[in-house]
Amino acid sequence: GAVVSQHPSWVICKSGTSVKIECRSLDFQATTMFWYRQFPKQSLMLMATSNEGSKATYEQGVEKDKFLINHASLTLSTLTVTSAHPEDSSFYICSARDGLAGVGDTQYFGPGTRLTVL
Amino acid sequence: AQTVTQSQPEMSVQEAETVTLSCTYDTSESDYYLFWYKQPPSRQMILVIRQEAYKQQNATENRFSVNFQKAAKSFSLKISDSQLGDAAMYFCAYRYNFNKFYFGSGTKLNVKP
Repeated sequence: GAVVSQHPSWVICKSGTSVKIECRSLDFQATTMFWYRQFPKQSLMLMATSNEGSKATYEQGVEKDKFLINHASLTLSTLTVTSAHPEDSSFYICSARDGLAGVGDTQYFGPGTRLTVL
Repeated sequence: AQTVTQSQPEMSVQEAETVTLSCTYDTSESDYYLFWYKQPPSRQMILVIRQEAYKQQNATENRFSVNFQKAAKSFSLKISDSQLGDAAMYFCAYRYNFNKFYFGSGTKLNVKP
């Protein structure tokens, strides 16, 4: 099946710094990528949808200036958490949709990135 | 608005037995997709099974099968011959067209040896 990677898998940073998380589709072209946030023992919460070459669409309540998303190529999307604070500590998961697949396609999930802000 | 409800926060099953996880959803669309994802302790989301709403036949994947009741907006997952490796969080999800997933709150499945 299709593979999506995320880097890093775990990052610890100091409060006030910025952190970049990469999401790559390894064997397919991802025209659309999604970024989720998951708190412990909770479900996935969609943060934003990014389409290659265009601005991301953010869900209500998600600060676009704090969570910067760039989908510059068909295989790479990045999420940058700017001026991170302890409340931003969470598990971030990306998923990607194969642009060549039909309407019945599914999304392929990355393994997630654990962010800890001290 | 689309919502997905999983009313069982946690369930347990004996190894080799059968367990059914429940999921209901709300939508005004007629053509959509439903999914069950498994999230083990590694937290990697793994697709278990999916169902196209226009198909009346219930999807099956080896030991996993669904009971799709479109009129009732119900989509339950049956796991037969449960194995220790089936222990995980299970999320029901709905998707319309190319749009985003709507996930349920999840059901934690424990498998007892």
